[in-house]
Formats: sequence, C-alpha cells, structure tokens
Amino acid sequence: DAGVIQSPRHEVTEMGQEVTLRCKPISGHDYLFWYRQTMMRGLELLIYFNNNVPIDDSGMPEDRFSAKMPNASFSTLKIQPSEPRDSAVYFCASSLHSNSYNEQFFGPGTRLTVL
Amino acid sequence: AQSVTQLGSHVSVSEGALVLLRCNYSSSVPPYLFWYVQYPNQGLQLLLKYTSAATLVKGINGFEAEFKKSETSFHLTKPSAHMSDAAEYFCAVSGKDNFNKFYFGSGTKLNVKP
Repeated sequence: DAGVIQSPRHEVTEMGQEVTLRCKPISGHDYLFWYRQTMMRGLELLIYFNNNVPIDDSGMPEDRFSAKMPNASFSTLKIQPSEPRDSAVYFCASSLHSNSYNEQFFGPGTRLTVL
Repeated sequence: AQSVTQLGSHVSVSEGALVLLRCNYSSSVPPYLFWYVQYPNQGLQLLLKYTSAATLVKGINGFEAEFKKSETSFHLTKPSAHMSDAAEYFCAVSGKDNFNKFYFGSGTKLNVKP
C-alpha cells in the first residue's frame, strides 16, 4: 500500500490567497483526520471524518478553514483567505474502524508558509 | 476528558546509553496509549501501543513502554540509544468512549550524541 498521500508537500503563498491541501487516505480506511503542527501549539486535531461525513470539527480554528471529503479516497482542507499565522505543517491521517483502538496512519505532511 | 503530558521537550543521551522519555496521561476512563516517532520532515509513525493486554509493551526498533495505572504513566524506554533514534517522540491517548480521537502530547526531541 502506498500509505497516506498528501499534496503538495510544500506550499508558499501570500497572505489573502486561497490554499487547498489534499489528502488520499489508505484504501479501505473509513476514518480521516486533519492535524496541524506548530512549534507553539504542537499537534492539534482540526477535524475528522467517518465514512466521508464530518464527525468533529471542534478543532477548526475559524471560518476561514473548511474541509471536505467528497468520496472515500479524497479529502481537502481549504484556507481562505490565508494568514501568516496559518503557517504550519498540516498532516492527514487515516484509520480503519475496529471495536477497539484505531491506529492512525499519518501522511508526510504539507508544510505551508504564508508570507 | 483525556490529556497527555510529556516531561522534557528535549532529551539528550550518548550513543549506547539508556533512553527514557516520560509520558503521563489523564483519562476519565481506562485509556489506549500510543507512542509515535517523527523523523525530520516526515509524518508520524507508530512505535507501540497499549490496549489493555500486557502492561509492558514492546515496539519497533527496540523500544518498549510500561503502562502503570497507579502512576498514570506510560514512559518509553530503550536500553541502548543509537544515532538513528534521534527524532521527536509523541505520546498520545484515546479513550474507550471515543477511541477515534487522539490527544497528543507536546513531543520530546531526542538527541543522541556520538
């Protein structure tokens, strides 16, 4: 399996521009998670989906952030308009439901820099 | 609610020395606990997990962790550090009430000196 795939790996944009981050989960996984990692706040869960439906978006910082999962093999995280404080590494992770713990598999991340 | 505290944002050891990375959890229900490792410019990889089977859990690359309920701890150890162990390590907890939601600690960067 190719693992969780994220694109782009690096994104540099200017303040006010729209940014779209993409994620392809591991085939067959039914949970998808978006995390943000910064030096100041560490690793934060932004939102997660189950069977393409958003379950918990309480970590989404504000209305400028939105996430979609149109099908089981694709998800996007959009920031519009972007601000310098959004600069971070964004990770996507996926897992397969079981009756006990769910190991999360992480993608390589997208490093976003907003100038 | 669940939370994790990792003591020490940076730990430095000599090659061949014992590695001890500390993790304490707070959970209202018996937890599932995880250690992940992140190498530079990469995503997180699972090292090991505690799921209420054995309290001493062995993971990859010679790491192990012991679940101690009385101390609410899940410290990560390795008897002999290798240069390739230099990375950032994250402890995470999820609860049986919602085992899909992980709460990560702030991470500990391990430096291994030659």
